[in-house]
Amino acid sequence: DIQMTQSPSTLSASVGDRVTITCRASQSISSWLAWYQQKPGKAPKLLIYKASSLESGVPSRFSGSGSGTEFTLTISSLQPDDFATYYCQQYNSYSITFGGGTKVEIK
Amino acid sequence: QVTLRESGPALVKPTQTLTLTCTFSGFSLSTSGMCVSWIRQPPGKALEWLARIDWDDDKYYSTSLKTRLTISKDTSKNQVVLTMTNMDPVDTATYYCARSNRYSNYFDYWGQGTLVTVSS
Repeated sequence: DIQMTQSPSTLSASVGDRVTITCRASQSISSWLAWYQQKPGKAPKLLIYKASSLESGVPSRFSGSGSGTEFTLTISSLQPDDFATYYCQQYNSYSITFGGGTKVEIK
Repeated sequence: QVTLRESGPALVKPTQTLTLTCTFSGFSLSTSGMCVSWIRQPPGKALEWLARIDWDDDKYYSTSLKTRLTISKDTSKNQVVLTMTNMDPVDTATYYCARSNRYSNYFDYWGQGTLVTVSS
């Protein structure tokens, strides 16, 4: 199975900060990567698919980039509603795998 | 409007078999390309994909759990069923079902999840 490694595992930031989360794949996954946001007690919410495509209705402050084995999720100006845990997911192979998550906390 | 809802027991005993049902609306699993997966999340931990069933009845399973899992669908009832045998306390988790497409296998709609606790 393809292993997905996210960093950092926890990130402390303030409202208005630019935030970047990294996801690395154990082998090339082309651009077959999605990003999700999850709040406590809720299901994950799709933010980005195909590495850089913004899901409909998701604010434009969220962006994704990368290909091959290294990917980033960037929040250009952190808002109060963005404090949550973020997960990457590869879908290059039928055996889907997720990263370990990055919790974005209030500084 | 696409919705998915998981149902099943909240508590199972070790060694028992878990049966979960995902009931969905707003799409059909007879539509070409449509897929439904099961994903779980132990308390405080990351997401883990378990199994997927496609519109054409192709089935895929997690490498590590495939001997314990069976996924099936009832297209007429808009339901997908997951069974997991030989439950263990480490299987305690929130279990989600989610929709995807075979050609872009990310999850655009999720159920709210159901917490399953394994304890004697």
